[in-house]
Parts: sequence; structure tokens; C-alpha cells
Amino acid sequence: GQQLNQSPQSMFIQEGEDVSMNCTSSSIFNTWLWYKQDPGEGPVLLIALYKAGELTSNGRLTAQFGITRKDSFLNISASIPSDVGIYFCAGLLGGATNKLIFGTGTLLAVQP
Amino acid sequence: GAGVSQTPSNKVTEKGKYVELRCDPISGHTALYWYRQSLGQGPEFLIYFQGTGAADDSGLPNDRFFAVRPEGSVSTLKIQRTERGDSAVYLCASSLMGTSGGNEQFFGPGTRLTVL
Repeated sequence: GQQLNQSPQSMFIQEGEDVSMNCTSSSIFNTWLWYKQDPGEGPVLLIALYKAGELTSNGRLTAQFGITRKDSFLNISASIPSDVGIYFCAGLLGGATNKLIFGTGTLLAVQP
Repeated sequence: GAGVSQTPSNKVTEKGKYVELRCDPISGHTALYWYRQSLGQGPEFLIYFQGTGAADDSGLPNDRFFAVRPEGSVSTLKIQRTERGDSAVYLCASSLMGTSGGNEQFFGPGTRLTVL
């Protein structure tokens, strides 16, 4: 099935560092969502973006909806050990379908 | 309030058997979605319900897969004649409405299906 290009595939950082990951697509999306998934759990919604150019924050997390509507990025500032997990972007095509197209995921490891 | 719940959390079955996976969405959410996640990949869409009807079933891989939501709340994903390739985590999500606005999808913990 279709998946969005997400990079980097994995990141290994020290506690306190900032993190940036992005997602690109050949398709235009009306909505971008960012999720975090822990082992054995379902994805947990972090941030939702609805307008091109929109910049939204949720605590230490900041995400932007790209102007072209084909990309999005997520930043995490001052990382902490509990940020460990897999981060997924997801785009919503809109129109008649409400299905989310997910990215390939970014594995984040934070060393205390 | 309660989030999306899924049962069972794990299901082990033999090739050729029939399985049913259940999803209880967040109360009041009219839209319900099923996704499938293979190891090391992101979730892939299977089917989307708006109320009782399947609005988009384009992600169902073949006619062995079927899903129902008879009363517009609980949904059951049914897989006939299971194959080893059906092994995956099956995720359910719900959202308040099925239009572009307010379409934040909230996921359950998933059912891990293993076909031996």
C-alpha cells in the first residue's frame, strides 16, 4: 500500500537535544497528523494540522503544514527519555475518503 | 472518558480458520476506521464506516475480509480462511465526524493476529 516518505528512519540522541523529522508526499493533503507509537500500543495523536503554512505547538512539540501541502515536519525540543518511540506522520486526502496515509515512521532513541 | 477499545488483544489461530476482531469506538464518534500494521511499517487503511454504512472499503485486500457496524457503534472485522500473510496488528480508530474538519482519528491498542 501507499506510504509517505518519512525521514530520518531512526535517530539516536542525547537527552536535552532537539529533534527534527519530516514527511513528504507526491500527493496534496488537506490534513496532516503526527502520531507517536510505543511498543504494543496503538498510535497516539500528538498534533493535527489543517491549513497550509500552519505552525502548531503542543508543549515541546512543534509541527508545520507545508505551503505546498505535500510535506510536514515535526520538531521536539529538549528531548527527554520518555520521548522514545516511533513517530508517524499521516496525511488525509479529504474529499469522499477519510483514510489516512501513514509515513514509514521515525524511530527515536534518547540516551539519558 | 474511555478511549477506543479492541478485543481480543491477541489472537492466535491456525491457517484456514475464521476470526472476528471487535472494536468499541469512543462514545459519540460517528466515524470508525480499520487499519492493518505489519512489523516495521506504518498502519495501512482497510475500511471506513460513517454510521452503519461502509463509506470506503477500498483497502480490504480481498473478499476474505469483511467488516460490519450494524448499530453504528461497535464494529467487527471478520477474516475468513485465514492465511499466514494475514498476521499483523489490526488497529481500529474513531473520529467525531467523517468530514475534513475535526477529523482527528484516535486509535485503540490493536489486536495482534498470528496465523500459524
